[in-house]
Amino acid sequence: GDQVKQSPSALSLQEGTNSALRCNFSIATTTVQWFLQNPRGSLMNLFYLVPGTKENGRLKSTFNSKESYSTLHIRDAQLEDSGTYFCAAANTNTGKLTFGDGTVLTVKP
Amino acid sequence: GGIITQTPKFLIGQEGQKLTLKCQQNFNHDTMYWYRQDSGKGLRLIYYSITENDLQKGDLSEGYDASREKKSSFSLTVTSAQKNEMAVFLCASSMDWGGDEQYFGPGTRLTVL
Repeated sequence: GDQVKQSPSALSLQEGTNSALRCNFSIATTTVQWFLQNPRGSLMNLFYLVPGTKENGRLKSTFNSKESYSTLHIRDAQLEDSGTYFCAAANTNTGKLTFGDGTVLTVKP
Repeated sequence: GGIITQTPKFLIGQEGQKLTLKCQQNFNHDTMYWYRQDSGKGLRLIYYSITENDLQKGDLSEGYDASREKKSSFSLTVTSAQKNEMAVFLCASSMDWGGDEQYFGPGTRLTVL
């Protein structure tokens, strides 16, 4: 089954609104990364997390290792936030990064 | 800071052809990776190299070879391109192995005719 499951698979937001993306893991995870992929395909690093919470501007992310999930909160969504958001979990045993299938976010004016 | 460059940006090949993709990083990172991304999907690990002269198979290594020529460069070879294959190949690097933060290059988009 899916080791890293992202939800929702697609999301449409009105500019200025808030939302949350989620990642559930079925593997023992040491660290989590969140990325934003732009339409050209480049992956931008958003967060690198050990268990806990980080905040950067309008973005906030939490990694809960005990309950095996991570969330990415977007506050006051802007048009430039549109793209595909990926989470990736580093396997405690192998060190390998396993990616979810992404959330396609569209922010509308 | 640093940068990862991948060449070429676009690669068009013929069925059965051997194709090589190149990646360079100036982070001075020990570990480098090659991933494949199919349309609408997440990335899957093909090969990785923990340090210079090391080579490890990922989950998708069949049909590929890799070479870590020096610390800053990592090449991937598609040994026999499959007809109608289309994917993006992404190179990444991290300071160390085992969950360190990974940084990605811009990708090489492969089309096989």
